[in-house]
Amino acid sequence: NAGVTQTPKFQVLKTGQSMTLQCAQDMNHEYMSWYRQDPGMGLRLIHYSVGAGITDQGEVPNGYNVSRSTTEDFPLRLLSAAPSQTSVYFCASSPRGTGVGNTIYFGEGSWLTVV
Amino acid sequence: ILNVEQSPQSLHVQEGDSTNFTCSFPSSNFYALHWYRWETAKSPEALFVMTLNGDEKKKGRISATLNTKEGYSYLYIKGSQPEDSATYLCATGGGLGSARQLTFGSGTQLTVLP
Repeated sequence: NAGVTQTPKFQVLKTGQSMTLQCAQDMNHEYMSWYRQDPGMGLRLIHYSVGAGITDQGEVPNGYNVSRSTTEDFPLRLLSAAPSQTSVYFCASSPRGTGVGNTIYFGEGSWLTVV
Repeated sequence: ILNVEQSPQSLHVQEGDSTNFTCSFPSSNFYALHWYRWETAKSPEALFVMTLNGDEKKKGRISATLNTKEGYSYLYIKGSQPEDSATYLCATGGGLGSARQLTFGSGTQLTVLP
């Protein structure tokens, strides 16, 4: 059981380039989300999805796009990379319908550097 | 956006020492408190999810307590080992759609020296 799989693990981009971080889960979870981790700031929510075809913005959505065409996949697109987007990105998923206190399952992270 | 604070920011202890850290959060509209363990280059791993005031959870040498009325949770590690070295994250929120409602603290980075 692979859980949550993110690719690529490392990426260097030039300012202005675009790219997509891929995320897939095989647990049939309805909820998926993207976080970024910056030193001293904890995990901050970028975008989330409550099911296929439904997405919404989190705390720091600017400069990112998402789509959810299937239950399994939730790619994150950087439209025009900026040095401020240098960060570690985590994709996460959780089951739906179990009420309060769902456990979140994370991918291993994607280290992105924008130069 | 909730304000979740963790202290200390970092901690160095000797192997065999017991240690604890704090997660503080707003006590109003509380849903759930999560603790995660994160080693660099690995996925954050769920340790505990607690929902009720007075909850105590234990997993091996690690335990956690929850006080929702005063808005804090403690994580305890008994007899620390080098493999306990990691960043410990707490998060609060939850309910339906918990993946979108969690607010994380900045973490406590624990280093256990052999």
